[in-house]
Amino acid sequence: DSGVTQTPKHLITATGQRVTLRCSPRSGDLSVYWYQQSLDQGLQFLIQYYNGEERAKGNILERFSAQQFPDLHSELNLSSLELGDSALYFCASSVLAGAQETQYFGPGTRLLVL
Amino acid sequence: AQSVSQHNHHVILSEAASLELGCNYSYGGTVNLFWYVQYPGQHLQLLLKYFSGDPLVKGIKGFEAEFIKSKFSFNLRKPSVQWSDTAEYFCAVTTFGNEKLTFGTGTRLTIIP
Repeated sequence: DSGVTQTPKHLITATGQRVTLRCSPRSGDLSVYWYQQSLDQGLQFLIQYYNGEERAKGNILERFSAQQFPDLHSELNLSSLELGDSALYFCASSVLAGAQETQYFGPGTRLLVL
Repeated sequence: AQSVSQHNHHVILSEAASLELGCNYSYGGTVNLFWYVQYPGQHLQLLLKYFSGDPLVKGIKGFEAEFIKSKFSFNLRKPSVQWSDTAEYFCAVTTFGNEKLTFGTGTRLTIIP
């Protein structure tokens, strides 16, 4: 158990719908990262927040958005869902932001779009 | 931008065999290197990391990795694998000013009892 929690564990929804994935970082961690894991794209970085502010953006679609709240939990919003959005979405957290920070991963949310 | 290559997609070994998984990165500057493991149905766990200093780093569960700068490599090794090492292994890199983990495609390791 890494101390990073994610809800829900599984999510099944239909195309065109919108979902929200939630992540609670380890106690004391200020930085949150979102990654997508799919069979064809592998593990890809989506977005990073640090202490409530967006810090870096990766291959995140315009239909996706995220935020980090004052209590440091983060939410990833996926809208106008397509079949290709089916994937495992991981959240990771680290104490600070930096290239030498160790990122601790949550258990992931498995999203299935039908 | 940096990238990571893991050329072994699926490795099958018998218990007690020695393991070496390849990882090569492409980036001209200073890198920070990581190996993560993902057991079936579980989240990614850090095995070991290299930032600087001794290029041979030891991690958890008897794993080690060696950073060879001239070869842009960070191969993962274990002298004697166990059935419980069956998992997917990911090599990843970060660079100065780029804190996101860039992952390789992963190597699926299957250990036969």
